[in-house]
Amino acid sequence: GAGVSQTPSNKVTEKGKYVELRCDPISGHTALYWYRQSLGQGPEFLIYFQGTGAADDSGLPNDRFFAVRPEGSVSTLKIQRTERGDSAVYLCASSWGGDTQYFGPGTRLTVL
Amino acid sequence: AQSVSQHNHHVILSEAASLELGCNYSYGGTVNLFWYVQYPGQHLQLLLKYFSGDPLVKGIKGFEAEFIKSKFSFNLRKPSVQWSDTAEYFCAVINFGNEKLTFGTGTRLTIIP
Repeated sequence: GAGVSQTPSNKVTEKGKYVELRCDPISGHTALYWYRQSLGQGPEFLIYFQGTGAADDSGLPNDRFFAVRPEGSVSTLKIQRTERGDSAVYLCASSWGGDTQYFGPGTRLTVL
Repeated sequence: AQSVSQHNHHVILSEAASLELGCNYSYGGTVNLFWYVQYPGQHLQLLLKYFSGDPLVKGIKGFEAEFIKSKFSFNLRKPSVQWSDTAEYFCAVINFGNEKLTFGTGTRLTIIP
């Protein structure tokens, strides 16, 4: 079956702009996760949804970052007033009931 | 807070050599443990996982890992590597009752034909 998909695969933006990154989880998966991976590092947790609600957003670095999952399926990660330090690969994962997390291909964000 | 250490940043081996990649975590409570692999140009894939039971876990492609609770370790092993094992390997931990994975910094494995 289809895996986790993320769009766009690459996003280049200018400092100060707003960006939205989209994640389509595996069908039927109730939990959805966002991670960020900087060069030479492992993925770092940002936020986790169970259904429509954010169950844990402790990894969001500041209030410029926000994520939604209005219908309990697709999720959008929103970054306001982007900074060069936001450049990274943003990964989405989904799971069924807290079991193994399956990752998407990621969105590479470059802030110029 | 949980942290994960992978001491080998880059490992280079010849085909048929044996492999062991180290992974240590800091939090001493009940944990679930994972190894993920990222082949060149591909996304993260699960290699194997430990939730409970037999501490020696077998995964795909001949990989195995041993959970040693007293050492807070979950080392990855393969008796004979192949060129196709060239990839980046990440160890990850979830604290029981939590949902967020904590990853190590990864180990880049290069296999020379």
